[in-house]
Amino acid sequence: IAGITQAPTSQILAAGRRMTLRCTQDMRHNAMYWYRQDLGLGLRLIHYSNTAGTTGKGEVPDGYSVSRANTDDFPLTLASAVPSQTSVYFCASREGNTANYGYTFGSGTRLTVV
Amino acid sequence: DQQVKQNSPSLSVQEGRISILNCDYTNSMFDYFLWYKKYPAEGPTFLISISSIKDKNEDGRFTVFLNKSAKHLSLHIVPSQPGDSAVYFCAASGSGSARQLTFGSGTQLTVLP
Repeated sequence: IAGITQAPTSQILAAGRRMTLRCTQDMRHNAMYWYRQDLGLGLRLIHYSNTAGTTGKGEVPDGYSVSRANTDDFPLTLASAVPSQTSVYFCASREGNTANYGYTFGSGTRLTVV
Repeated sequence: DQQVKQNSPSLSVQEGRISILNCDYTNSMFDYFLWYKKYPAEGPTFLISISSIKDKNEDGRFTVFLNKSAKHLSLHIVPSQPGDSAVYFCAASGSGSARQLTFGSGTQLTVLP
């Protein structure tokens, strides 16, 4: 089934540890995004990539890094996790360059930093 | 400062009646507006969009209205069904190559049988 796969589904992580959230798509979409969802704040953009080899910062990039070595994969790394990074993380991709194409989202990773 | 606002965290309507979800925005450079629906433990799914040059777009039971002068859009669901119970996010897209979406905080819709 075409779409976005995120792993892990959920994780409890000790503060200070490093963690990489994985995101893989099989739709050959050029643009990919990482959002975090927090109650009352909706979805906020962390980082994005318009195409393989390029990345950019979103609204809340601090404490996170991304890479885009190829079209399909867009991992998100927390170098040293803090409790404020407890959230649900969604990876998304977009077909085409026109805005009426909606994003395709993965099912999310629920991360708890303790 | 939130550029896209959904001021109602929740809404309850009776099955068969109309659901109206509202969204306000501040950035006049947004050129596309979208609505997403989200069920628990799933990612958001695209529902309907509207260009800033239009004032209405309809898709089955779902209609989005845009009032540019008021910087306001709304999603109408008629008739509402229990399966429509979900969180609805309003989103806006700016021009430029990134086409990033800015999301509102969401409205939990509950359709009562």
